[in-house]
Amino acid sequence: EVQLVESGGGLVQPGRSLRLSCAASRFTFDDYAMHWVRQAPGKGLEWVSGISWNSGSIGYADSVKGRFTISRDNAKNSLYLQMNSLRAEDTALYYCAKANMVRGANKAFDYWGQGTLVTVSS
Amino acid sequence: AIRMTQSPSSLSASTGDRVTITCRASQGISSYLAWYQQKPGKAPKLLIYTASTLQSGVPSRFSGSGSGTDFTLTISCLQSEDFATYYCQQYYSYPWTFGQGTKVEIK
Repeated sequence: EVQLVESGGGLVQPGRSLRLSCAASRFTFDDYAMHWVRQAPGKGLEWVSGISWNSGSIGYADSVKGRFTISRDNAKNSLYLQMNSLRAEDTALYYCAKANMVRGANKAFDYWGQGTLVTVSS
Repeated sequence: AIRMTQSPSSLSASTGDRVTITCRASQGISSYLAWYQQKPGKAPKLLIYTASTLQSGVPSRFSGSGSGTDFTLTISCLQSEDFATYYCQQYYSYPWTFGQGTKVEIK
């Protein structure tokens, strides 16, 4: 079965940076768009960023635009999220999620990792 | 950004009940609408995509309908394992957005 394993979370001070990784396995990674979705403690889901299979199309939530950068390395079956200028409101569980159909742009998410917790606090 | 508004925010229901959750988009999104179920401490699970297509392995008591701006998720006969929070999501245009969630609780 598809496996997505996030890593890189932790406690970080406001204004600092953190890089999240998502290791993918058991599917053809370079055929699918990938996304990051976060969930603040006790709150709902917030889409953060998405990247197409070939990195040709990238999108960001308004709340992270200019501070976060999504990327992928298809040779390593890995997805990344570089988070700069972190704020307290970025505190959340960060999930990576896989598009449910090959190629194309507008797809739902059929597999999710278990998430990595980012806490921004002094 | 397209705003997704779910109603109700929470509801109480009994096993066997028919439950309907609505989701309204602030502008037309064609059928680029998904529904997810999330249980405490777990990752979300895809139930429905393209507004009405049932994800593989999801029980047929779940159904979705709608297009444009108004959508519904229906659970035809609520089971104990269905008590959870449900989210709609549009993937029509960036930035993609989720509804605020509907918590289905036991009456």
